[in-house]
Amino acid sequence: GESVGLHLPTLSVQEGDNSIINCAYSNSASDYFIWYKQESGKGPQFIIDIRSNMDKRQGQRVTVLLNKTVKHLSLQIAATQPGDSAVYFCAENNQGGKLIFGQGTELSVKP
Amino acid sequence: DAEITQSPRHKITETGRQVTLACHQTWNHNNMFWYRQDLGHGLRLIHYSYGVHDTNKGEVSDGYSVSRSNTEDLPLTLESAASSQTSVYFCASSGGLGNEQFFGPGTRLTVL
Repeated sequence: GESVGLHLPTLSVQEGDNSIINCAYSNSASDYFIWYKQESGKGPQFIIDIRSNMDKRQGQRVTVLLNKTVKHLSLQIAATQPGDSAVYFCAENNQGGKLIFGQGTELSVKP
Repeated sequence: DAEITQSPRHKITETGRQVTLACHQTWNHNNMFWYRQDLGHGLRLIHYSYGVHDTNKGEVSDGYSVSRSNTEDLPLTLESAASSQTSVYFCASSGGLGNEQFFGPGTRLTVL
């Protein structure tokens, strides 16, 4: 069946370094992808999205890359800060607004 | 500011009881969703609605029901709570089918 998964369940980085979180998706018909950040005890918070007609999109300190050839999505966080510590989820939309979520990657930022 | 709220934030109930979790959004979004989040499973879709009087089953709908009588609210009902329904429940809404979903703060439900 369809699935969205993450290569690494945990990621530990030094404050100030760049972070890269990866995600694989299986449905080539997916046309919209979102990255969410979830802090402990809170709901997922939208970070950035990208549509399938793009391969890169930049936000404030974050960049999402989409490689449709290998069905891979990544989230890059520049100059990672302690406040970036959270679980990050990728999600794909290919079913009329329903999202399929990956398992999540926990990002830990060391001071 | 527009927002999405859930109540209660924490709930403890007993097996067999009926439980209703509330979700209210002031975004005026047509689309609303209910998810459960468990360790090892990420977020899984329970039910969703594309508008008033519209409801649809998601991936894990057994034992749950929803109703949509107005745009703002999508209450989730557990007809007869089971221990397997102990989880954190999130409500979300979106303004369009290809738009991001905005999530509420979640309800932690414990079924004893």
